Amino acid sequence: DTAVSQTPKYLVTQMGNDKSIKCEQNLGHDTMYWYKQDSKKFLKIMFSYNNKELIINETVPNRFSPKSPDKAHLNLHINSLELGDSAVYFCASSHSDRVGMWNGYTFGSGTRLTVV
Amino acid sequence: AQSVTQLDSQVPVFEEAPVELRCNYSSSVSVYLFWYVQYPNQGLQLLLKYLSGSTLVKGINGFEAEFNKSQTSFHLRKPSVHISDTAEYFCAVSKPGSYKLIFGSGTRLLVRP
Repeated sequence: DTAVSQTPKYLVTQMGNDKSIKCEQNLGHDTMYWYKQDSKKFLKIMFSYNNKELIINETVPNRFSPKSPDKAHLNLHINSLELGDSAVYFCASSHSDRVGMWNGYTFGSGTRLTVV
Repeated sequence: AQSVTQLDSQVPVFEEAPVELRCNYSSSVSVYLFWYVQYPNQGLQLLLKYLSGSTLVKGINGFEAEFNKSQTSFHLRKPSVHISDTAEYFCAVSKPGSYKLIFGSGTRLLVRP
């Protein structure tokens, strides 16, 4: 039983295409995230949803659009893909901070996106 | 705003030797601190966390970390490493009540036989 699952695991596509990455969690968490890990392993938050509401929207190009149909799913759609979008995208989830009880994130295994 | 500094990009060490991976944070408020491990081609896995209480935190796989408020540090230690500990290690900080984890740039631990 995978706690946070992402599909696909690998995605190779041409510049200019539109693609989506899906994420699902079965932990009962109410908050989900998308992080981007670049070639130097640096992790940067992109978006976060809490109970289907967007709560974090970092400086990300408008070509990236998250969608959360319910609190167990958070998808990432990318329009007009560019070479610089090549990276590993991680989905994560957590439960709201009950003071002194937060466990941080549970991560998915990542989607390696390669734009050619 | 919080930030995290991991001074060492790579730490080579021989098997069964002790290791310390350094992490310093900056924040004007109280913080939660985490260490995550990333094995090749995998997601990040929680090693340990500090929320409050005892400053010495024990985690999985024999790792521990000590929260030092005066030095704003949260260094990760293991007394004897194994080849299987070779991985990327990330320190992260969050503000209580915030949903955002800020990660350091990572330290690659390379354990040699």
